[in-house]
Amino acid sequence: EVQLVESGGGLVQPGGSLKLSCVGSGSVISGSAMHWVRQASGKGLEWVGRIRNSVNNYATAYDASVRGRFTISRDDSKNTVYLQMNSLKTEDTAVYYCIRRSDYHATDPFDFWGQGTTVIVSS
Amino acid sequence: DIQMTQSPSSLSASVGDRVSITCRASQGISESLAWFQQKAGKAPKLLLYAASRLQSGVPSRFSGSGSGTDFTLTISNLQPEDSATYYCQQSDSVPVTFGQGTKVEI
Repeated sequence: EVQLVESGGGLVQPGGSLKLSCVGSGSVISGSAMHWVRQASGKGLEWVGRIRNSVNNYATAYDASVRGRFTISRDDSKNTVYLQMNSLKTEDTAVYYCIRRSDYHATDPFDFWGQGTTVIVSS
Repeated sequence: DIQMTQSPSSLSASVGDRVSITCRASQGISESLAWFQQKAGKAPKLLLYAASRLQSGVPSRFSGSGSGTDFTLTISNLQPEDSATYYCQQSDSVPVTFGQGTKVEI
């Protein structure tokens, strides 16, 4: 069974940093595009960004709300994707999900989601 | 950015009913649209992708249609376990964007 497990969430002060990890079972991450999506309590889903696979040169893209503050990276040898979050703001408080997606077509499904890790930005 | 507008924001229906949720994209996205179901405290679950393709393991009472800018999720023979919030999502271009969600109460 495919599994994605996020970790690294916690309480951080505004302006601080946090690094989230997402570990996949088997080789689920290798060859896939990996996305991060967040959800503030009681709110909808918000895309954070993605990193593509090696064939697509590990290209990254970010939502405007996090661009320049967040960085997505990956280590396929460890089946792990990371979300480095700097200059955190209170509005970054949310549950963060990592999602796996095939990296071929615009219609490829976001088929496997982690259980989420909670980030709270507060003084 | 492509804006996704879902309607209604909430609905109430009875077991056995047929309900529909619509999603409109601010520009054409071909069939790059997915539907997710989310229950309280859980990660979203993929129901359909490519507008109408049913994800493996999802009951056939869920169906999707549409292309371009207008899409519909239909749940036939509504069941108690279908009580959840449903989101549409476009993946035609980045940033990937979601609709605001539709809460379905049984």
